[in-house]
Amino acid sequence: ETGVTQSPTHLIKTRGQQVTLRCSSQSGHNTVSWYQQALGQGPQFIFQYYREEENGRGNFPPRFSGLQFPNYSSELNVNALELDDSALYLCASSPGTGVTEQYFGPGTRLTVT
Amino acid sequence: GESVGLHLPTLSVQEGDNSIINCAYSNSASDYFIWYKQESGKGPQFIIDIRSNMDKRQGQRVTVLLNKTVKHLSLQIAATQPGDSAVYFCAENGAGNNDMRFGAGTRLTVKP
Repeated sequence: ETGVTQSPTHLIKTRGQQVTLRCSSQSGHNTVSWYQQALGQGPQFIFQYYREEENGRGNFPPRFSGLQFPNYSSELNVNALELDDSALYLCASSPGTGVTEQYFGPGTRLTVT
Repeated sequence: GESVGLHLPTLSVQEGDNSIINCAYSNSASDYFIWYKQESGKGPQFIIDIRSNMDKRQGQRVTVLLNKTVKHLSLQIAATQPGDSAVYFCAENGAGNNDMRFGAGTRLTVKP
């Protein structure tokens, strides 16, 4: 049990809509990273949040944005949803900005129709 | 471009046999590698890691081998059990970077 939780578990949206996904980090962890995992592929890094600031970003357009709150929980927001945004969205928390001791949540399955 | 990939997309083994899952990477600047296990409906779970100053590291029933000369990483699972059935990912990280780059994964199926 990693202690990282995500909500909702599943979500269905229509193309063009906006979505917000949530992540609660493991106790004692101040860093949250978000990944997108398309079906049959490995996770791809979206961005990382550390102390409420974005701390690194992968190759994703600006319509992917995030927030981190004082309690280190985090949100991933996606605007203007496209069909290709259908994926499992994973968050991972860690005690620092490095990638060691990074624990993943179970993910949110987003389907865009 | 730089990439992390796997040689085989699927692997089927008999219960009790040893499993070997391979991974190739192309970024010579990568200095930290992790193997993850992902079961259906769950997030990736850390199995074992290795830094580039090592060529072998052992855990409980698992061993990771790193060959920097040919940029190859492997995961060996001893006495494979049905509970080992999952998708296995290798992931790499370069010094100073805060993201892991994952390969496409290998699905391991353990036959009873």
